[in-house]
Amino acid sequence: NAGVTQTPKFRILKIGQSMTLQCAQDMNHNYMYWYRQDPGMGLKLIYYSVGAGITDKGEVPNGYNVSRSTTEDFPLRLELAAPSQTSVYFCASSHQGGMNTEAFFGQGTRLTVV
Amino acid sequence: AQSVTQLGSHVSVSEGALVLLRCNYSSSVPPYLFWYVQYPNQGLQLLLKYTTGATLVKGINGFEAEFKKSETSFHLTKPSAHMSDAAEYFCAVSDKAGANNLFFGTGTRLTVIP
Repeated sequence: NAGVTQTPKFRILKIGQSMTLQCAQDMNHNYMYWYRQDPGMGLKLIYYSVGAGITDKGEVPNGYNVSRSTTEDFPLRLELAAPSQTSVYFCASSHQGGMNTEAFFGQGTRLTVV
Repeated sequence: AQSVTQLGSHVSVSEGALVLLRCNYSSSVPPYLFWYVQYPNQGLQLLLKYTTGATLVKGINGFEAEFKKSETSFHLTKPSAHMSDAAEYFCAVSDKAGANNLFFGTGTRLTVIP
């Protein structure tokens, strides 16, 4: 069972570079989410999607973009990387009912911007 | 607005001892409460959740938590710690069914001493 798969696991970016964090789930979940986890902090929601073609901002969307062209994939785009975006990024998915049902998380992508 | 406070960023217990991880929440409406566990280099995994009904909730791996409205608490306990319980534990809250976000606490790292 693959569950939620994130790539890459680690990445170092230079300031101003761009990159896409990939997230795929094979559970046919409608809801998908991107969180960031900063040291000593809880997870903060960046963007979420309730289905293909539908996305919405979370608590901390600035500097990020997302798309949801298929049910399976929910990539997160950083256009102009900044040191403040150094964090661990988690993708998650859930069935109907949003985060009140069980959410399944990927293993995370550790991003460092230098 | 919802928020979660986890008292103690690090907790150490001896193997076989009681585990108690504290969580207090703030919510203007009846909350939905969750505990997630994060093992090293892995994503978060749901331990247990409270939505409605019985206030004592049992989860996986022998953990349980009790919702106490009068104390606005949802502490996580386990009678006897195992080495495999060493991980980071996150308490989270949402305010409504079908919520698209959870508000996470800052986490408690549990160390189990042999």
